[in-house]
Amino acid sequence: GAVVSQHPSWVICKSGTSVKIECRSLDFQATTMFWYRQFPKQSLMLMATSNEGSKATYEQGVEKDKFLINHASLTLSTLTVTSAHPEDSSFYICSARIRGQETQYFGPGTRLLVL
Amino acid sequence: LAKTTQPISMDSYEGQEVNITCSHNNIATNDYITWYQQFPSQGPRFIIQGYKTKVTNEVASLFIPADRKSSTLSLPRVSLSDTAVYYCLVGDTGFQKLVFGTGTRLLVSP
Repeated sequence: GAVVSQHPSWVICKSGTSVKIECRSLDFQATTMFWYRQFPKQSLMLMATSNEGSKATYEQGVEKDKFLINHASLTLSTLTVTSAHPEDSSFYICSARIRGQETQYFGPGTRLLVL
Repeated sequence: LAKTTQPISMDSYEGQEVNITCSHNNIATNDYITWYQQFPSQGPRFIIQGYKTKVTNEVASLFIPADRKSSTLSLPRVSLSDTAVYYCLVGDTGFQKLVFGTGTRLLVSP
């Protein structure tokens, strides 16, 4: 149980284009989902917290107009990287929290390469 | 959120027991301690969570002293596949976000 999936697992795009990453909780309802970014050999950095049906809360320094987050249902959250640039190349990981529980379950991650 | 401090790296050999200690001097009364494991290019995987004393599951044990200012993750008889980064996190029962520290990079050799 408590499986989180991400799609795509990797994506290559041209600079200036937008990329959408999906995060799904497969066997539970996730009232809260989180988006992280991880650069090589570094720790995970929280980008935003997403609650179903409401606007995401972004961490300081994360541009909300560049990283659009939508949490339309209890099983799906999406992260759209708009007008991607090479410096946005990173490993993006989502996690989901089951209602009433403290544990977060992580997706497998999406590797984004912007050329 | 309480800050955590872990060794940056540890080395071990197959079959040995590995203990990774995490310091969290500013842990609050409602805070739980959670450990995650991360392999390269994968999302973190939940290992174990505890509040006090000792917690054991099929993968690891978590030892928490009475003052709760530190915790120790114990991995019995490690194998090569246990080579990974291990993160210790602290947060209250309703915490909304996790703040990852540097983690401990464990290397298990034959």
